[in-house]
Amino acid sequence: SAVISQKPSRDICQRGTSLTIQCQVDSQVTMMFWYRQQPGQSLTLIATANQGSEATYESGFVIDKFPISRPNLTFSTLTVSNMSPEDSSIYLCSVDSVGNEKLFFGSGTQLSVL
Amino acid sequence: KQEVTQIPAALSVPEGENLVLNCSFTDSAIYNLQWFRQDPGKGLTSLLLIQSSQREQTSGRLNASLDKSSGRSTLYIAASQPGDSATYLCAVNFGNEKLTFGTGTRLTIIP
Repeated sequence: SAVISQKPSRDICQRGTSLTIQCQVDSQVTMMFWYRQQPGQSLTLIATANQGSEATYESGFVIDKFPISRPNLTFSTLTVSNMSPEDSSIYLCSVDSVGNEKLFFGSGTQLSVL
Repeated sequence: KQEVTQIPAALSVPEGENLVLNCSFTDSAIYNLQWFRQDPGKGLTSLLLIQSSQREQTSGRLNASLDKSSGRSTLYIAASQPGDSATYLCAVNFGNEKLTFGTGTRLTIIP
């Protein structure tokens, strides 16, 4: 199994600012994903972080709002830009495990925007 | 549209009882199905993964079944304990390398 370190674990931010969330994996992985979980809701995929190329965004999510970096096979960042209270959610990084197709998750970042 | 549904949204059970959590999905052509556990304010922990060709998977007190023809999966928890209290999420891979999540069942085990 993969061990995923996600930082920060929580933050309270002001409207209009940006927050960058980091995800570090203890082994090289092909696929890294970023999910959002709004209060009382299930998980929604934001984008797939691709190493060496631009991230692939899901419908309803755009690069200007959620820029993603993937400089190598063990690290990715998600930035939530120009935040509004509607961005208050848990943001989760996940990776797939080569060979058994399980998906592993970081501990999440609980974001509150005032 | 490919959807995953979990009913009920919340369930309370006395300690020691066996229980079943339900997951239904709209498209029987799935690749695999995964059950997760989420504690409040935390990330997800993978519990069991069932491939499309399998009918069930077991891990300790947990048993997950899959019936593709009826579009259903169940997670059976034997001899429930207070530490089992959490939200349980079902997620389906419909073959497009992405997971579609249900809204979860919030389980409370009453001591």
